Amino acid sequence: QVQLVESGGGVVQPGRSLRLSCAASGFTFSSYGMHWVRQAPGKGLEWVAVISYDGSNKYYADSVKGRFSISRDNSKNTLYLQMNSLRAEDTAVYYCAKPRGAWGDYPRGILDYWGQGSLVTVSS
Amino acid sequence: QSALTQPASVSGSPGQSITISCTGTSSDVGGYNYVSWYQQYPGKAPKLMIYEVSNRPSGVSNRFSGSKSGNTASLTISGLQAEDEADYYCSSYTSSSTLVVFGGGTKLTVL
Repeated sequence: QVQLVESGGGVVQPGRSLRLSCAASGFTFSSYGMHWVRQAPGKGLEWVAVISYDGSNKYYADSVKGRFSISRDNSKNTLYLQMNSLRAEDTAVYYCAKPRGAWGDYPRGILDYWGQGSLVTVSS
Repeated sequence: QSALTQPASVSGSPGQSITISCTGTSSDVGGYNYVSWYQQYPGKAPKLMIYEVSNRPSGVSNRFSGSKSGNTASLTISGLQAEDEADYYCSSYTSSSTLVVFGGGTKLTVL
């Protein structure tokens, strides 16, 4: 069955960096674009970024553009989110999510499997 | 401020029907049939309930249905059950550079 397991979260000081990972299994990872979505404590869902199945296309929310970078290693079935210049408002649970359709379907944002989330706390 | 507008809360009694609205613009909800709805329990990951406006994934109860009119999408839950009490989020593809937008979420209370 599909499994998405995030790791790499923790407490980090403002201005520092952190890299999240998402290990995928149970589906052909290299055929699917992948998304990151976050949720600040007590707040709603916020889409963060998406990467195409082959890594050639990447899109970001305005709130993270220029600071965060999404990437993937299809040989390791792993998705990454490199977060630089972190701010207090980046504090959230970060979810990786798989789109329902393969190949070019990823922009539609139909997310049928989600990880359990990884908490990132930005605080001095 | 979220790109899509949802009511903060709705409530209903067991057995009743409720509808949650999700209002966007012609650049997202109104322009494409890529509206999705998610259910989220506290401390849990979201679950896809409706996709492409009105389609249900396998395993989702047929008490859940979706529709769209103009720039507003709606999620209707019929025959309310206690287990339906959760937060519900809409999302849509958007023609802006960000690709995906979410609503602010609606807390459903079953009285």
